[in-house]
Amino acid sequence: DVKVTQSSRYLVKRTGEKVFLECVQDMDHENMFWYRQDPGLGLRLIYFSYDVKMKEKGDIPEGYSVSREKKERFSLILESASTNQTSMYLCASSLWGQMNTEAFFGQGTRLTVV
Amino acid sequence: SQKIEQNSEALNIQEGKTATLTCNYTNYSPAYLQWYRQDPGRGPVFLLLIRENEKEKRKERLKVTFDTTLKQSLFHITASQPADSATYLCALERSGGYQKVTFGTGTKLQVIP
Repeated sequence: DVKVTQSSRYLVKRTGEKVFLECVQDMDHENMFWYRQDPGLGLRLIYFSYDVKMKEKGDIPEGYSVSREKKERFSLILESASTNQTSMYLCASSLWGQMNTEAFFGQGTRLTVV
Repeated sequence: SQKIEQNSEALNIQEGKTATLTCNYTNYSPAYLQWYRQDPGRGPVFLLLIRENEKEKRKERLKVTFDTTLKQSLFHITASQPADSATYLCALERSGGYQKVTFGTGTKLQVIP
């Protein structure tokens, strides 16, 4: 059974803290994504990676960075957390080079910045 | 700018009826469109993909249509059940390659027993 696992379901952090959100997939997928989801705004792409050490900015990369040192792991980093980064964060993966590019999502991390 | 519109109002439907959800888009020419289901507090789950040269796709009680002239996709659930209650998201291939998609905000479906 395919699986995308996010390290935490719920996280509470203080303003200014450095926050790491981890995502691991066991499907040998090339593509990995980080989204945030807010009411009324839907899923918005933060960063995308199509290969190890490769990354591309999405629609809202400001205040975030990513790391992909291994194919199965994609980390999202909030350099200095702010209250407007309180959100649901979703990691996803998909195959490269296939038309049937369904994305597999993790269970989500609900981050609250206080 | 590219835009995807799904009805933000919840859709309430009686059990056993057919639910129809709409996804409209502008300034896109997507090669494919996807539909996902999302339950509260969970990540989206892929349901169906339809390509630009396909008019209709079916999977069990689900049917998707894709009209590239109208720039619209319709998602149907026949013989709806309370277990179908969820938010349904459409997603379109976005320009720039790398198989990225843009998601609509979703429509919440409530099937009433």
